[in-house]
Amino acid sequence: QEQLVESGGGLVKPGGSLRLSCAASRFSFSDYSMSWIRQAPGKGLEWVSSISSSGSTKYYADSVKGRFTISRDNAKNSLFLQMNSLRAEDTAVYYCARDGVYGSTRNWFDPWGQGTLVTVSS
Amino acid sequence: SYDLTQPPSVSVSPGQTATITCSGDILADKYTYWYQQKAGQSPVVVIYQDTNRPSGIPERFSGSTSGNTATLTVSGTQAVDEADYYCQAWDSSTAIFGGGTKLTVL
Repeated sequence: QEQLVESGGGLVKPGGSLRLSCAASRFSFSDYSMSWIRQAPGKGLEWVSSISSSGSTKYYADSVKGRFTISRDNAKNSLFLQMNSLRAEDTAVYYCARDGVYGSTRNWFDPWGQGTLVTVSS
Repeated sequence: SYDLTQPPSVSVSPGQTATITCSGDILADKYTYWYQQKAGQSPVVVIYQDTNRPSGIPERFSGSTSGNTATLTVSGTQAVDEADYYCQAWDSSTAIFGGGTKLTVL
C-alpha cells in the first residue's frame, strides 16, 4: 500500500517560517505529481500547492503565493513545503497527497498522508 | 475564481438513500471528484472523474453529473458512512473544494 508521511509541523510565531516534509514509499514517487492540501481546525479542505513529477511546474493558491514554496527531491522520495511569513490564518493540518494518475497532473488526490499540524500563534 | 457549493448537512436513516449535491459553473466541463473524511482521519477518494468508483469503495457509492451539478449518492446508507464529504474540481491550475457536507446517519 502506498504511504505518505508528513513531518515538520509545530508552533510558530506570526511572521515565522516552517518547512514541512512528506516522505513517500511503496510507489514510484518520481512518476507522480504531488500536492499539499490544508484543513483549518473544524473547517473544510483548502488546496495549497501542487508540483509536477519532474518539479518543473508548480501551482499555488492565491492565499499562499509569494510566501510558500513547494519542492521535491525525487532521489529521496520526498516532497517539501517551505512556509515563510506565516499568519494566524495559516493554522491548519497540512496533508500531502499524490495525484491519482501516473504521469499526469490535475486529477484526484489519492492517497493522502495523515497530516501534520501547523499552529501560528504568538 | 469559481466556487463549489454543497449543502452543509444531510441526514438519512440507515438503509435509505443519501444524496449530496455539488454545484458550480466549473462543473459544466470539468470532472468532479468526491472525498470522504471520517472523524479524525484523512480524506479518501470515493468517486473520481464524475462517476468512477476506486477499488475498495463499496458499490453503494455512486456519482453522477448534470449540467453544473454533480451528485454523490449513497444507497442503502450504513452507520459507517457517517462522515464529511467534499467535492473537488480543477479550474485550470487551481484545485477547488466544496465547503463539505456532513452526512449524519440517524
